[in-house]
Amino acid sequence: AQSVTQPDIHITVSEGASLELRCNYSYGATPYLFWYVQSPGQGLQLLLKYFSGDTLVQGIKGFEAEFKRSQSSFNLRKPSVHWSDAAEYFCAVASNQGGKLIFGQGTELSVKP
Amino acid sequence: SQTIHQWPATLVQPVGSPLSLECTVEGTSNPNLYWYRQAAGRGLQLLFYSVGIGQISSEVPQNLSASRPQDRQFILSSKKLLLSDSGFYLCAWSVTGVVSGSSGEQFFGPGTRLTVL
Repeated sequence: AQSVTQPDIHITVSEGASLELRCNYSYGATPYLFWYVQSPGQGLQLLLKYFSGDTLVQGIKGFEAEFKRSQSSFNLRKPSVHWSDAAEYFCAVASNQGGKLIFGQGTELSVKP
Repeated sequence: SQTIHQWPATLVQPVGSPLSLECTVEGTSNPNLYWYRQAAGRGLQLLFYSVGIGQISSEVPQNLSASRPQDRQFILSSKKLLLSDSGFYLCAWSVTGVVSGSSGEQFFGPGTRLTVL
């Protein structure tokens, strides 16, 4: 069955430090992968997506993610975190059923001044 | 450009009262539409999705129902709310079918915070 695992429920980093949020997926074929960000009380915003081509994808707000098929991973990175990056981050894979997305449980990011 | 609206933004309802949440999409035709719920401190739970007018698929058995009376309108309803219906409700849309350049991403509305007392 298709699934997405985000191993870290909560991560705290200092402002200016680098960030890596982990995402592992289970999917038989070439996956379509996504990262979303959700600020408190808001909807989800698409940060970036991967569906083919270059395995390192660039997104908005200075984020990037690398698709590693051998590790079934799609980790999100940012070289220098800003206080405004504090939010919940969701990894998702497109299901092979009717256009649905399968979401991970999310990682809450806190940023220390 | 496409936009998605949800209303109301917040709602406080007593147990046993009815519910109607509305979602509308602008700037696209024949979208797939989705209703999700987020309980406090938890991830996203897909409740319903629709691939066309009058076509609703339910993901989990529950106290809620959904309807799609128009192409770009999606409504979440309940006849009698339960305490467990409290949460943050998100509507989303995506492009239907396989479209060049589309990889199935969904676009989310701002959400409705529902509190059942």
